[in-house]
Amino acid sequence: AQSVAQPEDQVNVAEGNPLTVKCTYSVSGNPYLFWYVQYPNRGLQFLLKYITGDNLVKGSYGFEAEFNKSQTSFHLKKPSALVSDSALYFCADNSGYALNFGKGTSLLVTP
Amino acid sequence: EPEVTQTPSHQVTQMGQEVILRCVPISNHLYFYWYRQILGQKVEFLVSFYNNEISEKSEIFDDQFSVERPDGSNFTLKIRSTKLEDSAMYFCASGPASGFGNTIYFGEGSWLTVV
Repeated sequence: AQSVAQPEDQVNVAEGNPLTVKCTYSVSGNPYLFWYVQYPNRGLQFLLKYITGDNLVKGSYGFEAEFNKSQTSFHLKKPSALVSDSALYFCADNSGYALNFGKGTSLLVTP
Repeated sequence: EPEVTQTPSHQVTQMGQEVILRCVPISNHLYFYWYRQILGQKVEFLVSFYNNEISEKSEIFDDQFSVERPDGSNFTLKIRSTKLEDSAMYFCASGPASGFGNTIYFGEGSWLTVV
């Protein structure tokens, strides 16, 4: 079965520090991996995706993610966190007919 | 930038009542979706719709649910007889193409509370 896993319920980081939100995948065939962000009381916003090609994918708001086939991971990263990055982050796989989401990771960036 | 719009943003309904959630997908998109997110849980796929018919549906999407594209712009989700466990945020989404790496764009959600 296709699935993604987000091992952390919450990640805390100080403003200005690098952040990482983890995602691992279990997909037969080629994975098509996404990150979405959900700000409080808002919908899901697309951040970035990996389909093929460069393992380092750059997306919106300064975020990037690295596809690592050997570790079956697609961690979301940002070199310098902002307080406004505090939100719920979802990893998802779209290798089938619909997005299959992880359970989400709450990111809290403190001043 | 084009976006998916949903109404209402919040609806409270009594158990057993019918609810219709409305969505206007992005205008040149062909694939439409409903997802739901029960409070504190992951976002779950309900149904996808293409060419005026359901293309895929999950186990959640049972006979109490139906979808319709009544005109060229709206896409609706009807819940026939609401249950307490239907309380959730319902997201409409649309995409230019189906699956396999194509990006899906979400609306802001309709928060349904069944009492």
